[in-house]
Amino acid sequence: GENVEQHPSTLSVQEGDSAVIKCTYSDSASNYFPWYKQELGKRPQLIIDIRSNVGEKKDQRIAVTLNKTAKHFSLHITETQPEDSAVYFCAALSYNQGGKLIFGQGTELSVKP
Amino acid sequence: DARVTQTPRHKVTEMGQEVTMRCQPILGHNTVFWYRQTMMQGLELLAYFRNRAPLDDSGMPKDRFSAEMPDATLATLKIQPSEPRDSAVYFCASGLGSVDEQYFGPGTRLTVT
Repeated sequence: GENVEQHPSTLSVQEGDSAVIKCTYSDSASNYFPWYKQELGKRPQLIIDIRSNVGEKKDQRIAVTLNKTAKHFSLHITETQPEDSAVYFCAALSYNQGGKLIFGQGTELSVKP
Repeated sequence: DARVTQTPRHKVTEMGQEVTMRCQPILGHNTVFWYRQTMMQGLELLAYFRNRAPLDDSGMPKDRFSAEMPDATLATLKIQPSEPRDSAVYFCASGLGSVDEQYFGPGTRLTVT
């Protein structure tokens, strides 16, 4: 079945720097890749997603890139701010597993002022 | 700003007791998901429904867990009997149509002593 691996598990950056989180997936039939941000004690919130018919999507300071050939996708956050500190989860939609979202293990991002 | 709601937000119970968690999906959403989040296992899909019909509950321990949708505005997850290893945060999420975009509720933090 689908397997999603996420790296790194923790990431610490200085305010203003960029942060990049990478995920790889195994199911070539997957075609939807969302990213969720979860602040401590809060619900996961969808921040950006990408479908397999595009290679990049941007929304202000965040962007996601997708390489279908290599089966990996990445989240890019530019000009990081302390409020970006959270756990970020990637996911891939696996039709081979009945249309389920399979989540990565999460990346704890810490932005130091 | 429509949101998924869950009750209770916190539940402490003794081993062997029945636990019922409730979820109200966003009005008009027809797909409902139950997830369990722990530090060790991350986000695991337990079950999901579309148009109130169960589509997949392969992630759920069948002997003690059950999930239902009595109507379009209510989903329930029951554990009977509860065990300490069930301690986790249980999230409900809802979506419209396909399983692509999912919106999470605030979660129920369950502690079984």
